[in-house]
Amino acid sequence: KAGVTQTPRYLIKTRGQQVTLSCSPISGHRSVSWYQQTPGQGLQFLFEYFSETQRNKGNFPGRFSGRQFSNSRSEMNVSTLELGDSALYLCASSLGPDRSTNEKLFFGSGTQLSVL
Amino acid sequence: SQQGEEDPQALSIQEGENATMNCSYKTSINNLQWYRQNSGRGLVHLILIRSNEREKHSGRLRVTLDTSKKSSSLLITASRAADTASYFCATVPYNQGGKLIFGQGTELSVKP
Repeated sequence: KAGVTQTPRYLIKTRGQQVTLSCSPISGHRSVSWYQQTPGQGLQFLFEYFSETQRNKGNFPGRFSGRQFSNSRSEMNVSTLELGDSALYLCASSLGPDRSTNEKLFFGSGTQLSVL
Repeated sequence: SQQGEEDPQALSIQEGENATMNCSYKTSINNLQWYRQNSGRGLVHLILIRSNEREKHSGRLRVTLDTSKKSSSLLITASRAADTASYFCATVPYNQGGKLIFGQGTELSVKP
C-alpha cells in the first residue's frame, strides 16, 4: 500500500505570492490533517478534513485554507505569503477523524516551503 | 497552543545506553501517542497508550502514562545510532474534536 504522498517536496516563493500544496492519503483513508512545523513554534495544527468537510481548524489566519476532494485527496492554499510562512508543511491521513478511538496518523514526507 | 511539553529538549547518549524522554500535558486526554521524526522528514507513529492504561511495550520501547500527574515517559532500551531522531508526544484532549496536538519534541542523538 502506498503511503501518504505530498507534492511538491520543495517550493520557493516570494512574499505576496500564493501557493498550493497537495496531499494524497493512503488508499481507504478518508481523514486528512495538515500541520505546520517550524523550529520556533514546533508542530502546529492547521486543519482537518473528513468526507470533504472541514472538521477542525487551528489558530491560523484566513490566508491559510484547504479543501478535500471526493477521492479524499486534499490541498492547502496559502495566499499573500509572508516570510514567517516558511516552514515544513506536513499532511497526515487516517481512516477516520476520531482520534479518541485510538486512531494514529500516517504522515507524508512534507513540503518544505521557503518564502523569500 | 501546545498541549505537551517535553523534557529534555535534547539528549545525547552512547550506543547501548537507555534513553528516557518525558512529556507533560495540560488537559484530560483520550490517549497519548509517541512519534519519531528523522531530520526534515515526516513523522512515524511509534506507540499509543490509552488513558486507562499505565504501561505499554513495543520492542525496545516502553511507555508509561500517569494521568494523575498528566505525564508520560518514553524509554528506549539498548539504543542504536539509528535511533537518532526527534521524538514527539501527542495527545488527544477531550472535547476538542479528536485533533492530535503535539509537544515540542526531544532531539535524541545516539553516538556510536
